Amino acid sequence: EVQLVQSGAEVKKPGESLRISCKGSGYIFTSNWINWVRQMPGKGLEWMGRIDPSDSYTDYSPSFQGHVTISADKSTSTVYLQWSSLKAPDSAMYFCARRESGRGTYHFDYWGQGTLVTVSS
Amino acid sequence: DIQMTQSPSSLSASVGDRVTITCRASQSIGKYLNWYQQKPGKAPKILIYAASSLESGVPSRFSGSGSGTDFTLTISSLQPEDIALYSCQQSYSAPRTFGQGTKVEIK
Repeated sequence: EVQLVQSGAEVKKPGESLRISCKGSGYIFTSNWINWVRQMPGKGLEWMGRIDPSDSYTDYSPSFQGHVTISADKSTSTVYLQWSSLKAPDSAMYFCARRESGRGTYHFDYWGQGTLVTVSS
Repeated sequence: DIQMTQSPSSLSASVGDRVTITCRASQSIGKYLNWYQQKPGKAPKILIYAASSLESGVPSRFSGSGSGTDFTLTISSLQPEDIALYSCQQSYSAPRTFGQGTKVEIK
């Protein structure tokens, strides 16, 4: 069974750093890109960026480029989303999602359960 | 970037009603259009991919249509368990933009 399991909720102060994780299982980890999606409270979904775990190639939305870093560790089948200096507007739910690779339709077929990040002084 | 515009932003309908949600892309995306359902407090779930293909396990009352720039998600007979946020997404090019979502409620 394909699963993406994300790390738990975080409470941080502005200016602090943070890394959240998404661990894949039940499939060949390097076969599918992993995406990160933000959902601010009461709002819609925003695509942040993606990584190809086979070679760690990344691609970011212009809205998030330079503010977050996506990385992957093939040895543990884990993808990370990292901030070096959090801001209050980073408070949101963050989802990882796998991009399907077999049908060429590129939809997100499996999602993590979400990680809630709260940034408050 | 390709902008995705959904309408309406919310709707309230009765059980058994036919519900239609539209999604418009700012440029042609062929059939690279996906629909997701997100129930309160849960992660999104794929309903329809490639504009009209029903994901395995999704009830047949859900259907999708369209190509190019204009797309539609239809729920043929609204059920209480369909209360959710519905979002379209283009998978034609990066950034893989989503529509702003349509909140469906029961009247």
